[in-house]
Amino acid sequence: EVQLLESGGGLVQPGGSLRLSCAASGFTFSSYAMSWVRQAPGKGLEWVSGISGSGSSTHHADSVKGRFTISRDTSKNTLYLQMNSLRAEDTAIYYCAKLKSSVAVGRDSSAYYDWGQGTLVTVSS
Amino acid sequence: EIVLTQSPGTLSLSPGERATLSCRASQSVSSSYLAWYQQKPGQAPRLLIYGASSRATGIPDRFSGSGSGTDFTLTISRLEPQDFAVYYCQQYDTSPVTFGQGTKVEIK
Repeated sequence: EVQLLESGGGLVQPGGSLRLSCAASGFTFSSYAMSWVRQAPGKGLEWVSGISGSGSSTHHADSVKGRFTISRDTSKNTLYLQMNSLRAEDTAIYYCAKLKSSVAVGRDSSAYYDWGQGTLVTVSS
Repeated sequence: EIVLTQSPGTLSLSPGERATLSCRASQSVSSSYLAWYQQKPGQAPRLLIYGASSRATGIPDRFSGSGSGTDFTLTISRLEPQDFAVYYCQQYDTSPVTFGQGTKVEIK
């Protein structure tokens, strides 16, 4: 059974940093692309970042480009999202999601088959 | 960026009725790369449909997807009490991946 468990959320001041983690189990981690999707309070879903199964290809939304970095550690079966220069508008629940392909975005990618329960990030002074 | 516009914003229906949800893309999306998700309060999204018309594992056959190009539809043939939720379409054809703003299906 696929399990995805996010952690690392919390309250941070504007301009601060956080690193989110997503511990994966129940599948061969290095074979599948992963993504981060966020949801601001009472709002819809917003794709944040994606990474290929090998980790060699990463993609970020324009809203976080240059501030957020997605990465993965195959030895730990863990996905990360390093978030720097946080803004109030980054306040959201952050979900990690598993794809059914090794490609994160575009042709040969897939829908998001499995999701974690989410971790809340609040950016406020 | 491909913008997905869902309509209506809210759909008020009774159990047993048919629900028809629309997702319109600002430019053509390959059918292979259009998905629908269901989200209930306090829960993560759940994949319902991928490739525009294929049901994900365990999804009841009252859920069906159709469409191509710029117009896609999610149909729930007969609403069950557990189907009242918010539904999102998603395209993963081109970067950035984008979601529609959601359609809330509420009990009338």
